[in-house]
Order: sequence, then structure tokens, then C-alpha cells
Amino acid sequence: AQSVTQPDIHITVSEGASLELRCNYSYGATPYLFWYVQSPGQGLQLLLKYFSGDTLVQGIKGFEAEFKRSQSSFNLRKPSVHWSVAAEYFCAVGEAAGNKLTFGGGTRVLVKP
Amino acid sequence: GAGVSQSPSNKVTEKGKDVELRCDPISGHTALYWYRQSLGQGLEFLIYFQGNSAPDKSGLPSDRFSAERTGGSVSTLTIQRTQQEDSAVYLCASSPPGAQRQYFGPGTRLTVT
Repeated sequence: AQSVTQPDIHITVSEGASLELRCNYSYGATPYLFWYVQSPGQGLQLLLKYFSGDTLVQGIKGFEAEFKRSQSSFNLRKPSVHWSVAAEYFCAVGEAAGNKLTFGGGTRVLVKP
Repeated sequence: GAGVSQSPSNKVTEKGKDVELRCDPISGHTALYWYRQSLGQGLEFLIYFQGNSAPDKSGLPSDRFSAERTGGSVSTLTIQRTQQEDSAVYLCASSPPGAQRQYFGPGTRLTVT
């Protein structure tokens, strides 16, 4: 069965600094990988996804992620953060068929001025 | 356009009562998913409907949980004889034909007292 690990439960970053959120997955086939963001009291919003092709994918709000098959990782990055980035971020892997998602435990991002 | 909607947004119920949670997917979306988000378990898949196929119920935690989807559109998640451990946010998502991404609703927060 597939699984997703987000090693960092909390990350605190200074406004203007770069951000990297880690995600490791376990999946037998080529994974469908996603990053979602959840702001307080809100549903999940898709930031970006990887299915195939270029391993560096661009998403909304200036986020990008890099798929590294050799490391089973799909880390999310943002070069310079604004206070509005504060939220919880979830990495997920989807099955090719059926599309149900398995989520990581989430990383809560706090931004300090 | 309208997104996925869920009702009620909040539900407080007494232990042992039955509850029904409703999801209205985006028009034209053939796939519908239910997930549960709780403090102890994170985000978990519950059940998946795709068109007229038999639903994938592999994530339902017990036989107290059931779901149906009428007319290929609206879905209802029913929890019978609620327990305190059922307290969670229940998220619904839908996706259009052939798409891998899911669009999430705002969720229903269920509190069992």
C-alpha cells in the first residue's frame, strides 16, 4: 500500500526567507503526486501536481516542487515567503486507477515578521 | 462557477445518534470522494464513487458508516450510532471525467458529545 511521510510537523520561517517542505512517498508504480494547502477553516486547495514529464513542476502562488524518483521525494519550495503563506500543507499520492488520495500528516507553516 | 458544497458546515450530535452529511459536487463531475480529517488520524480516504460503478468502500472504518450517491450527483454520508471518535471534519471532493485532480469542499465539522 502507498504511504506518504512529511517529516516536519511544524516549520517556522521568516518573512522573505525561502521555504522547503519535505515529502517522501512509498508507491509501487509511477506515482501521481500532489501538494495541497489548507488555510484555517478552509478546504484543501491544490498547489501543484506531478504525473509525468518534467520533474520540476510549477504551481500556483509561486510554489514549485521537484520529483526525485531515486529519493522517493517530492519536496515543495517557495523562494521568498509572505505572511500569507502561513497554513497547513499536505503532500498526497494518488493511484493511477481510482484516484483516491493518500495524504501525509501535514506540515504547519508559521511565518514570523 | 460553483464549487463543491457541503452541508451542514457544523454538526453537534449526541453519542448514539445517527447523522447525515451532504455533498453537492461540481456539476458534470463523475467522481466523488469522502475523506475524514481528525487530530489523531490526519486525512483519511473513506469512500469513492465513479459514475455507475460500484463504490470503493475500502476506507470506511466500520459498518456504522455508509454512503450513497443518488442520480450520479449528490452524495450523503451516514454515520449510525455515532461515537466520540467519529468527531472530525468530513471532506468531500469531486473530479471531472479523466482528470486526476480533486476539488475539495469546505467540509462538515462533526462533534459527538
